[in-house]
Amino acid sequence: QLQLQESGPGLVKPSETLSLTCSVSGGSISSSNYYWGWIRQPPGKGLEWIGSVHYSGSTHYNPSLKSRVTISVDTSKNRFSLKLNSVTAADTAVYYCARHSSLRYCSGGSCPRQDYFDYWGQGTLVTVSS
Amino acid sequence: QSVLTQPPSASGTPGQRVTISCSGSSSNIGSNTVNWYQQLPGTAPKLLIYNNNQRPSGVPDRFSGSKSGTSASLAISGLQSEDEADYYCAAWDDSLNGPVFGGGTKLTV
Repeated sequence: QLQLQESGPGLVKPSETLSLTCSVSGGSISSSNYYWGWIRQPPGKGLEWIGSVHYSGSTHYNPSLKSRVTISVDTSKNRFSLKLNSVTAADTAVYYCARHSSLRYCSGGSCPRQDYFDYWGQGTLVTVSS
Repeated sequence: QSVLTQPPSASGTPGQRVTISCSGSSSNIGSNTVNWYQQLPGTAPKLLIYNNNQRPSGVPDRFSGSKSGTSASLAISGLQSEDEADYYCAAWDDSLNGPVFGGGTKLTV
C-alpha cells in the first residue's frame, strides 16, 4: 500500500522560505506514469494545487504561485520536496503531498485529460508568523 | 474564488439520496474528466470518483458521478451518518494548465 508522509517545520517567519519534504513508501517514486504533487488548504477553506513533479525532474506549477515555488525530486531517497519563498500569513495552510495521475486519453475524436490525486499524505500544518 | 462552482452546503436524512453539483467551463469540465474527493473532518481528502464516474477500489457503489457539458454531479444514495463530510470536485483546466478545485460542499446528515 502506497503511503506518503509530509515533514518539515510547522512555523515559518514572514518573508522566509517554507520547505517541506514528502517521503514515499510502499512504491517507487520513479514510475513514469505518475507525477507527485503538493496541494494546500488554508484553515477553513478549500483546496489549492501548488504544483507537481515527475521523477525525471519535469515540473508544472500553479500560475498564481509559480514565481515563488520550486518542487524537486530525489529518486535515491524516494521523496520529493516543496520550497515556497517570500511567505506571508496568506500561506498559512495544511500542506498535503499526493500522487498525481495525469494522462490525456484520446478516443472518438476527443482527448480529455484524466487528472486526479489518488494517494494523499496526512497533511502538515504550516503557520506563517513572526 | 474557486474556478469550479459548488453549493456551499447540502443536507439529507439517513437513507435519502442527495446530489451535489459542480459547474465549470469549456476549458475544464467541458474538455476534461471530473473527479470528486471526500474529506472527513480532520482528515486528508480521499479520492471518491475519478474519470467522471469511476470508483476506486473500496468506495461503495452508493457513490456515483456523472458529467454533462460543463457541469458534473455527485450522487450519494442510501445516505449514512458517516457520509457527513466536505466534498470537492476537480478537473484539469486547459487554460491554467493544471488541476482546479471547487470550493467544496459541506454535507450534513
